[in-house]
Amino acid sequence: DAGITQSPRYKITETGRQVTLMCHQTWSHSYMFWYRQDLGHGLRLIYYSAAADITDKGEVPDGYVVSRSKTENFPLTLESATRSQTSVYFCAAGQGEAQPQHFGDGTRLSIL
Amino acid sequence: GQNIDQPTEMTATEGAIVQINCTYQTSGFNGLFWYQQHAGEAPTFLSYNVLDGLEEKGRFSSFLSRSKGYSYLLLKELQMKDSASYLCAVRDLLQAGTALIFGKGTTLSVSS
Repeated sequence: DAGITQSPRYKITETGRQVTLMCHQTWSHSYMFWYRQDLGHGLRLIYYSAAADITDKGEVPDGYVVSRSKTENFPLTLESATRSQTSVYFCAAGQGEAQPQHFGDGTRLSIL
Repeated sequence: GQNIDQPTEMTATEGAIVQINCTYQTSGFNGLFWYQQHAGEAPTFLSYNVLDGLEEKGRFSSFLSRSKGYSYLLLKELQMKDSASYLCAVRDLLQAGTALIFGKGTTLSVSS
């Protein structure tokens, strides 16, 4: 059972470039989430999705775009990367309100 | 808005008991979660409370008081492998739907 996988695990890119982080789940959970984790801030919600074609903004959505055309995939795109977007990005999936979210292994993104 | 507070750091010795506190202020509280995160790894689910009282799971227990906006995670018979960050997270249906709002985490160091 692969669970939830993120790719790439590590990425270095330059400011102004577009970069897409992939997230894939094998459970078919309805809900999927993107968080970023930074020292001093903890985990902060970027975007979340309740089902295919339904997405909503979290606490820090600026500069990010998401899509969910299929239940199992929830890619996160940085349209024009900035140094402030250097972070560790975690994708998570969950079944519903009373159920926990389960996290992928994360993507370490560095923007030079 | 929401505010989740937990101590930044705690230390303890092997075999001891430690209590990690979490206080929160939310508009639409619908559950509190505790996660463990080892350095460089993804958060993993520990416990869930939605009603007042104590939930016990082996060496770990979690308590919730909704009227006080307060929870704690109790770790018994501490082991070196318990050295990690412990994240308190709240589900606030009015703020972020089914997504979780995380505190900044408590780094626990267990020494021999």
